[in-house]
Amino acid sequence: DAKTTQPPSMDCAEGRAANLPCNHSTISGNEYVYWYRQIHSQGPQYIIHGLKNNETNEMASLIITEDRKSSTLILPHATLRDTAVYYCIVRHQAGTALIFGKGTTLSVSS
Amino acid sequence: EAGVTQFPSHSVIEKGQTVTLRCDPISGHDNLYWYRRVMGKEIKFLLHFVKESKQDESGMPNNRFLAERTGGTYSTLKVQPAELEDSGVYFCASSQGDRGNEQFFGPGTRLTVL
Repeated sequence: DAKTTQPPSMDCAEGRAANLPCNHSTISGNEYVYWYRQIHSQGPQYIIHGLKNNETNEMASLIITEDRKSSTLILPHATLRDTAVYYCIVRHQAGTALIFGKGTTLSVSS
Repeated sequence: EAGVTQFPSHSVIEKGQTVTLRCDPISGHDNLYWYRRVMGKEIKFLLHFVKESKQDESGMPNNRFLAERTGGTYSTLKVQPAELEDSGVYFCASSQGDRGNEQFFGPGTRLTVL
């Protein structure tokens, strides 16, 4: 699976959009981009995933560049409860293990 | 629908003792995964069951760790004998069939080896 690079930390004001970047320049054509997060002392939680097209669900939006070498997770209206470590994971196929990196620690403040 | 459950939530044992962690996946989920995070490190994959079969155990650190999933339902992870470096949080996750896009994680078991 391709490696990902994320900033170690980011800050966001409550109510504003949080835009979390991820670089995955070695991604191959059949690899998906997944985002998970881990809120302190809980198990990781799935957020969203995509292959080529932008995706949106009730939690977030995922924007993947045309060359697929980078992506951005967008939390449209961040709340204090969104404070967590966010992991960008590139994965070959469903049903395989997740490879976690260091992720981005997002701190949302009022 | 109940989520993934893990037992115990915390375990404190002495070096050299044995500990067994249990994971109950979401009902009907064929895929079951074990991960762990040791102090200061990233979350690491340990192994993957499909039903009762071990699909991938490439992440198991050594032969002190034994995972089972009899009958393809719940799974146990036994550490025998435990060492200090085994301390950490052990997570279990499950996903459904071939779709398996979303892995549902349990709350984890915090293991402390003294």
